[in-house]
Amino acid sequence: KQEVTQIPAALSVPEGENLVLNCSFTDSAIYNLQWFRQDPGKGLTSLLLIQSSQREQTSGRLNASLDKSSGRSTLYIAASQPGDSATYLCAAQTSGSRLTFGEGTQLTVNP
Amino acid sequence: GAVVSQHPSWVICKSGTSVKIECRSLDFQATTMFWYRQFPKQSLMLMATSNEGSKATYEQGVEKDKFLINHASLTLSTLTVTSAHPEDSSFYICSARDGGRGTRTDTQYFGPGTRLTVL
Repeated sequence: KQEVTQIPAALSVPEGENLVLNCSFTDSAIYNLQWFRQDPGKGLTSLLLIQSSQREQTSGRLNASLDKSSGRSTLYIAASQPGDSATYLCAAQTSGSRLTFGEGTQLTVNP
Repeated sequence: GAVVSQHPSWVICKSGTSVKIECRSLDFQATTMFWYRQFPKQSLMLMATSNEGSKATYEQGVEKDKFLINHASLTLSTLTVTSAHPEDSSFYICSARDGGRGTRTDTQYFGPGTRLTVL
């Protein structure tokens, strides 16, 4: 059974700082690894999707890496802004399009 | 881009009543839809997977007679919480997989969620 863990559970940083969110998964037989953003009381916004054959994906100030063999992914946020404050979830997709989510990292960027 | 809607966005009901939540794919055909539940400050837990025209597959520990799922068309799936109780209060999120030809069939698009409060 796939298990996904995210560290840290919460993070508070000053505006402008670069930061890294960590995600680990127990079963390396994944199709892809996805990062989502969730604002309080809202649904999910897809940020980045890394296929199992890829090592990283970039979108603007976001960069996600994937090391399948070690069961790890990181989300790097450059020059953080208060608008980046949200909960970030990673999810590993295995067979049958099944997504297993981590418990998220709650990020607060202070002005 | 692909859009998934949910209705209602929030609902408050009395204990013992049934509540229906709709999930629609607005601009694509969803051969498969997924229902998740999220308790406060917790992650999303998959409840069931539904394929159009067939019975849903429920995750272990999810009561299929309590959470009725119907996926009667390629653009609509419904989740009915029967005889709701306060412990069913949660945030319910659906997602849909685009089964269209030429698209990435492994991408799920998420709805905005439905907040259910059972009094």
